[in-house]
Amino acid sequence: RKEVEQDPGPFNVPEGATVAFNCTYSNSASQSFFWYRQDCRKEPKLLMSVYSSGNEDGRFTAQLNRASQYISLLIRDSKLSDSATYLCVVNGDNFNKFYFGSGTKLNVKP
Amino acid sequence: GAGVSQSPSNKVTEKGKDVELRCDPISGHTALYWYRQSLGQGLEFLIYFQGNSAPDKSGLPSDRFSAERTGGSVSTLTIQRTQQEDSAVYLCASSLANYRQETQYFGPGTRLLVL
Repeated sequence: RKEVEQDPGPFNVPEGATVAFNCTYSNSASQSFFWYRQDCRKEPKLLMSVYSSGNEDGRFTAQLNRASQYISLLIRDSKLSDSATYLCVVNGDNFNKFYFGSGTKLNVKP
Repeated sequence: GAGVSQSPSNKVTEKGKDVELRCDPISGHTALYWYRQSLGQGLEFLIYFQGNSAPDKSGLPSDRFSAERTGGSVSTLTIQRTQQEDSAVYLCASSLANYRQETQYFGPGTRLLVL
């Protein structure tokens, strides 16, 4: 079983739509969770960390569900510029070892 | 300020040759990570450094892969006797420290093609 699993998509949504991604992780001892964004042929960049209480940054909301071992990302009022691949990242037993999901591709259409 | 830089940006080599990939982290970042990303795949963790030490090398795919870091700064990833399955983008990231929620800043990667 993979450490981190994501639906690869693609999610094709119109501008202004609300879209949500989930990511499941296998290690119940994981303590650090992140969402990164990766544009085509570019390096990943941090979108947001995910805290136990959930957190929001503008149009983006991240949630953690420890009981079910998944994290979610909600994007409201989608923009064309949100089109990218969203990577879920979780640390392993060793806090310094990080596992990336394969990513969920989002296409926002005009 | 300057971000993470990697060189070369692209490398084409013949099967069986050795290659050396370089990473210059952000100044002052003590933690450094190497990942590999194959086409259409997620990032595969290879190794991390805290200072010059690499406590966990278990992510290296085989003994043909090695990495070192000197002076707590520049790191090199060496692949000996390259194979076609080594073709991928090799990404380096650095962070201030190994704290749980530290942001990793990625370099642009080295695209390696083994013919």
